[in-house]
Amino acid sequence: ETGVTQSPTHLIKTRGQQVTLRCSSQSGHNTVSWYQQALGQGPQFIFQYYREEENGRGNFPPRFSGLQFPNYSSELNVNALELDDSALYLCASSSYRDPETQYFGPGTRLLVL
Amino acid sequence: KNEVEQSPQNLTAQEGEFITINCSYSVGISALHWLQQHPGGGIVSLFMLSSGKKKHGRLIATINIQEKHSSLHITASHPRDSAVYICAVRWAGNQFYFGTGTSLTVIP
Repeated sequence: ETGVTQSPTHLIKTRGQQVTLRCSSQSGHNTVSWYQQALGQGPQFIFQYYREEENGRGNFPPRFSGLQFPNYSSELNVNALELDDSALYLCASSSYRDPETQYFGPGTRLLVL
Repeated sequence: KNEVEQSPQNLTAQEGEFITINCSYSVGISALHWLQQHPGGGIVSLFMLSSGKKKHGRLIATINIQEKHSSLHITASHPRDSAVYICAVRWAGNQFYFGTGTSLTVIP
């Protein structure tokens, strides 16, 4: 079991609303990555944060944004929700010195109606 | 276009069977990962490979860098092995690319 936690575990929103998902990283990890996993698909990289700055971004529109705090916890914000945003959102923390080793949180399951 | 391809997508096996899941990728990588995802969604790292073969209990992972191919084997499969198995790679940049996963069901 990793030390990465996510909240909430489940969430239901309607189209057009905004949502904030939270991630608490493994102790000592200064890098967090966020992934979207649609049903039946593998995770897709959204973006990564290192030392509170965005450090790489996948093919997601600007309405997906993030924050990383000094304690390395992180948020994923999604504005103007669309039905296709329904997915499992995973965060994973790692150390910048060992980027290959990621520890995943349990995920937040988002349903957009 | 998916840089990481897995096969099969779905697999049903009888308890005790030997299972193989395959992963192919399209570019040079620094390492390949095999991950396990249970129905609740949490992902656990099984192996990280950059060459050769690794073994952990009944799980064996191999990689052929020249052929850009990796396999995950499960010996003496058990119903508790039922899960989605995902391979993932990382190359230039910070992002990981994931396969679509292989859903394994082991029947008692």
